[in-house]
Amino acid sequence: DAKTTQPTSMDCAEGRAANLPCNHSTISGNEYVYWYRQIHSQGPQYIIHGLKNNETNEMASLIITEDRKSSTLILPHATLRDTAVYYCIVSDRTTSGTYKYIFGTGTRLKVLA
Amino acid sequence: DTGVSQNPRHKITKRGQNVTFRCDPISEHNRLYWYRQTLGQGPEFLTYFQNEAQLEKSRLLSDRFSAERPKGSFSTLEIQRTEQGDSAMYLCASSLGGANAEAFFGQGTRLTVV
Repeated sequence: DAKTTQPTSMDCAEGRAANLPCNHSTISGNEYVYWYRQIHSQGPQYIIHGLKNNETNEMASLIITEDRKSSTLILPHATLRDTAVYYCIVSDRTTSGTYKYIFGTGTRLKVLA
Repeated sequence: DTGVSQNPRHKITKRGQNVTFRCDPISEHNRLYWYRQTLGQGPEFLTYFQNEAQLEKSRLLSDRFSAERPKGSFSTLEIQRTEQGDSAMYLCASSLGGANAEAFFGQGTRLTVV
């Protein structure tokens, strides 16, 4: 089962910031939070990931709470092309000692003109 | 483009036929993953390779499914005796080593079993 919970859907006005929340209350100390998005009929696109410090790249910012039980992905100026399903993932340790992603159903973000 | 490449992009097959998909990961990525995605759901993990070794397989990977990565580079996923329930998008991803290395996904192969 996915280790994260997200709202099913959200709307955001074009040009405004989109704030996508994610709860991961069972996260362990060495597990990272990853964000991907998927536009219809395409493969998931990596956005950003972090452990405990806030992270920013050219696509988005990731804000992780101090207790690490939740995070927020921020798209600072949403455009119509940001309409997609956004997945928040906490990687799951495999039997071989590495990590795999367990996806939930994500948040369907619709950016409105 | 040096991203993850998957072929074919689309495949329509008759029930009972065998199909094979190919994934070319990003060069120097030693980890390779296969996922399956059905309509309205997030991708589901199928299997994972580190170099040529298949280190984990999901319960979803029935005995009709087999995956290989013979030289630690490209990988193939074969489905034998396809069933209508196998219709899905099959996604491949690759990553570098390291516990927190992000994975990059290909565009997927959409399989339709008729």
